[in-house]
Amino acid sequence: SQQGEEDPQALSIQEGENATMNCSYKTSINNLQWYRQNSGRGLVHLILIRSNEREKHSGRLRVTLDTSKKSSSLLITASRAADTASYFCATDTSNTGKLIFGQGTTLQVKP
Amino acid sequence: NAGVTQTPKFRVLKTGQSMTLLCAQDMNHEYMYWYRQDPGMGLRLIHYSVGEGTTAKGEVPDGYNVSRLKKQNFLLGLESAAPSQTSVYFCASRRDSLYEQYFGPGTRLTVT
Repeated sequence: SQQGEEDPQALSIQEGENATMNCSYKTSINNLQWYRQNSGRGLVHLILIRSNEREKHSGRLRVTLDTSKKSSSLLITASRAADTASYFCATDTSNTGKLIFGQGTTLQVKP
Repeated sequence: NAGVTQTPKFRVLKTGQSMTLLCAQDMNHEYMYWYRQDPGMGLRLIHYSVGEGTTAKGEVPDGYNVSRLKKQNFLLGLESAAPSQTSVYFCASRRDSLYEQYFGPGTRLTVT
């Protein structure tokens, strides 16, 4: 079964608006990662947040992690049409190096 | 650096045929992974390797075999292809368990 569940499954916003995606997981983690996938392409790493971190920023991206609630959120500020993609969270639950991916959120940013 | 490359990019097989997908990375990464992605779904881990000569099963290993004879290469084999194996296959590598994964561009496989 999937470790991560993402919400919403699909999101449509106007350019300039903020987009928030959520990820919930079931077991304790070493770290949680967010990836972006453009249509027909491989996944690209966005941010890695470790279990002892609560918030991390990278450009227009902000990721939070609440280990007590077993949840994370990805915020994209001032969205652009080029942000249109699917976004996946992935959890690293052991020292074996396995990542378990959620089913993703499809984001559409309308110009 | 080419990063992670996958060969071939597309393939059509008939049921029962066999094939091998090749993944190569030039980043000297220890860990390598094979995933499959089906429409509207996330990635499911097939097999992975934490170092040269080692392999381990992921979530959906049945019908697949792997080998990691060289550190830079990770091969995924389908011995007798089935229509249920129609999917997009992604390879990824990772320096170690503390770091992110780097993905290849994918192989689109259709089994008829």
